Amino acid sequence: AIQLTQSPSSLSASVGDRVTITCRASQGISSALAWYQHKPGKPPKLLIYDASSLESGVPSRFSGGGSGTDFTLTISSLQPEDFATYYCQRFSDYPLTFGPGTKVDIK
Amino acid sequence: EVQLVESGGGLVKPGESLKLSCAASGFTFSYFSMNWVRQAPGRGLEWVSSISSSATYKYYEDSLKGRFTISRDNAKNSVFLQMNSLRVEDTGLYYCARLSGSSWSFDQWGQGTLVTVSS
Repeated sequence: AIQLTQSPSSLSASVGDRVTITCRASQGISSALAWYQHKPGKPPKLLIYDASSLESGVPSRFSGGGSGTDFTLTISSLQPEDFATYYCQRFSDYPLTFGPGTKVDIK
Repeated sequence: EVQLVESGGGLVKPGESLKLSCAASGFTFSYFSMNWVRQAPGRGLEWVSSISSSATYKYYEDSLKGRFTISRDNAKNSVFLQMNSLRVEDTGLYYCARLSGSSWSFDQWGQGTLVTVSS
């Protein structure tokens, strides 16, 4: 099965920082990738679908890019409510694997 | 408003069974593929199983095949996960999620139901 890796696994950043998280697939998956934000005690929240499309209602400081094997999630200016764990997920075929996650915390 | 409400979680002993339910509302349930995702304590998200809109296709995480069974009842707007021969490592929060009808994503999630497997 196609595996997803994420880097970094964690990062510390300050409010206002630009943050980029990378998701890499072990084989090409076209643009069949989504990004989620997950906070403790809440369900995951969809941020980006089809690799680069912003979900309705999600702030424009979030953006996604890439195709094939390399993908990015960028937060242009980190806000206090953005401290969370971020996951990518592939949809190229089953199993619909999640990446291992990237925890973003306060510096 | 779209709602997914999971139920059926609880404390069971290793080897026992549990059936989770997810009640959907606010959308035409029979049009959408549905999924279960879990998160073990201190771990990341793990896709568990998917079922197509008419239940024709069912998919499972490889290590769960034979123990877990997904099903749905479109008349009752519900999806289920029958979990047999439960193991300690099956402990976690189980989420029901909807596969978007127009994009590659899980666009709606329930709040989750907690499954604890312990002797």
